[in-house]
Amino acid sequence: GENVEQHPSTLSVQEGDSAVIKCTYSDSASNYFPWYKQELGKRPQLIIDIRSNVGEKKDQRIAVTLNKTAKHFSLHITETQPEDSAVYFCAATATDSWGKLQFGAGTQVVVTP
Amino acid sequence: DTAVSQTPKYLVTQMGNDKSIKCEQNLGHDTMYWYKQDSKKFLKIMFSYNNKELIINETVPNRFSPKSPDKAHLNLHINSLELGDSAVYFCASSQGTGASSGNTIYFGEGSWLTVV
Repeated sequence: GENVEQHPSTLSVQEGDSAVIKCTYSDSASNYFPWYKQELGKRPQLIIDIRSNVGEKKDQRIAVTLNKTAKHFSLHITETQPEDSAVYFCAATATDSWGKLQFGAGTQVVVTP
Repeated sequence: DTAVSQTPKYLVTQMGNDKSIKCEQNLGHDTMYWYKQDSKKFLKIMFSYNNKELIINETVPNRFSPKSPDKAHLNLHINSLELGDSAVYFCASSQGTGASSGNTIYFGEGSWLTVV
C-alpha cells in the first residue's frame, strides 16, 4: 500500500519568510496529492491539491510542486503570516483507491511575528 | 449550513461501554468516510462507504461497526470501549470514488472521544 513520509515535523519561521514542507510517497500509481491545513481544535481543510499530470500549481501565497519521477511533492508558503500557524498534512491517493487518502504525519508550522 | 456534521462533539465514557457517533452530509456526495486522529495527530482512514456500500475497511477491530442507512449518513458504533480508542474521529465525504472524479474530501468538525 501507499506510504507517505512528511518532513519536517515542526517548522518555525519568522513572519514574512517562506516555509517549505516536503513529502515523499511510495506508490507509483498515486496520482492525486492534496494538502490539508488543520488549526488547533478544528477540522482538516483542503488548501491546495495537485494531480499527476501537472508539475506545479499556485494559489496566491501557496504553491505545490510535484516530481513524479522522484515521487516527492512539496508545499511552499511565501510571505508567511501568523494565521498560517497550523498543522499541515500532505496526502496521496490513486485513481482506483476509492478516495483512500494516505496522510503524512503532519508538520506543525509556527509563524512568529 | 454545515456541510458535514457529526455528533456528539465531545464524548467522555468509561471503559467497556458502547457508544455511537453520528454523521450527516448535505453535499449530495456519494462517498463517506471515518478517519481516526490519534494523540500524535496522525490521520488514518478507518472506513469508506459509497452509496451505502462498504468499500474500505482498514484493519479496524470489529468492535467498530459503521452503518450507512442512506448515502447522506454514516454512523460509527463502538462496542466495549478501550482506553486506546481515545482519539478524535472525523467523518468526511467526497463526490465520486477516486482521484479522477474529483476527490476533494470534506471533513466534519470531529468528535473528541475520551475513554476513562
